[in-house]
Parts: sequence; C-alpha cells; structure tokens
Amino acid sequence: DTGVSQDPRHKITKRGQNVTFRCDPISEHNRLYWYRQTLGQGPEFLTYFQNEAQLEKSRLLSDRFSAERPKGSFSTLEIQRTEQGDSAMYLCASSLASGGKAGNTIYFGEGSWLTVV
Amino acid sequence: AQSVTQLDSQVPVFEEAPVELRCNYSSSVSVYLFWYVQYPNQGLQLLLKYLSGSTLVKGINGFEAEFNKSQTSFHLRKPSVHISDTAEYFCAVTLSGGYNKLIFGAGTRLAVHP
Repeated sequence: DTGVSQDPRHKITKRGQNVTFRCDPISEHNRLYWYRQTLGQGPEFLTYFQNEAQLEKSRLLSDRFSAERPKGSFSTLEIQRTEQGDSAMYLCASSLASGGKAGNTIYFGEGSWLTVV
Repeated sequence: AQSVTQLDSQVPVFEEAPVELRCNYSSSVSVYLFWYVQYPNQGLQLLLKYLSGSTLVKGINGFEAEFNKSQTSFHLRKPSVHISDTAEYFCAVTLSGGYNKLIFGAGTRLAVHP
C-alpha cells in the first residue's frame, strides 16, 4: 500500500495558462475524490468518481475545470485559463466501497499546491 | 444539507496539558463523523471516526472523541499533548447512507508550547 500519490506537488503558473494535476489512488480503491483547500479553510468537495464514472460535481467546479478517470485507475484534474482565485491546494483522496455504505476510510494524498501569478 | 462548525480557530496549550477541540454539526439525517489531522505541507490523516455503537471513539496518537447526538457535537480530546501534536485538526461529516462525500469544518489550529 503506497498511499495516494499526487503530481506535481507544487506548480506555479501564469494567469491564463492551463495546468493539469495527476492522482494515483491506492490500488483497488474504486472511489476517487478531488477536494480544494485554500489557506485557513477546510477542504471543499469538488468531484467524485466511482470507478471511471464521474457521479457528482460541485458548483465550485466551473467550466474551466475538468476531471477524468479513464479506466477507473488514475485521475487528472485540469484547470484551463487559470485565474488567481484558483490558487489553492488540490487534494485527491480514495476509498474502497463496501456494500454501498459510507464510513469506509478515505485516504488523502499530500496535495498539489497551485500558485497562479 | 450538512454543515460543520469548529468553534475555535486556534487553541494554544502547554505541553502535557489536556486539550479539547470542539466540533458541532448540523444535519436532519443520520451522519458519520470524522476527525482528520493535517501537518504542515501534508495531506490529511484520519485520527478517528464514529459510525455507530459506542459514543466514545478512540483513535490514533492517544486522541479520543465523544459523539453527543442531543447536542450534535463530536468534540476531540487528548489528556496530555506533545509538541508533535501541533497541527491543524479538521472535523468532518458525511451522510450515513451516502458515499463518503465529506463536509469539513474550517479547522482548528492546535499550537503546543513547551
């Protein structure tokens, strides 16, 4: 069990550029989540995958954001035409569904810091 | 909709003293409750969770929390803190029948001083 891996850990980009973050969940975990955390705040839910299907998207996920999870393994989160307000830490997490019940432990990665200048 | 309120944004405490971090939640349906810890520049680590059963839940690193349904609270406690406990602590809630969409509080910064 190597944990949830995220890449890159840090990204500085100019406003208007596109950025992509990658997340590798714990192997065999079928649920994958993206959260965003700004300084001094708790993580906010962005989107959720069950295998390769994206089942829910938060209103925080504007049209400039897109997430994919091809083949139900790794996931990518792309932000197009970045804005300074996108500066935050983007957290990926995964869990293993069990009988459709919640409460299974969600494991978080160490996050990808985005700074838009 | 569910929400979580962490009543203290910062809690300073001396080493070896007891500490309580307060968490209240709001929900019209049954929920599961969690406490996570975040060390500087790191992701979140689960401390403990309440799903059902005993209202006193023990977690890692000597932490425990008590679920109080009537007061809709899930306060985190530790009888004796260490310098290494300095971190950000987050309370979170999810619907008991849901798929683990966690709703987090704003966090409490625990600062342990020698």
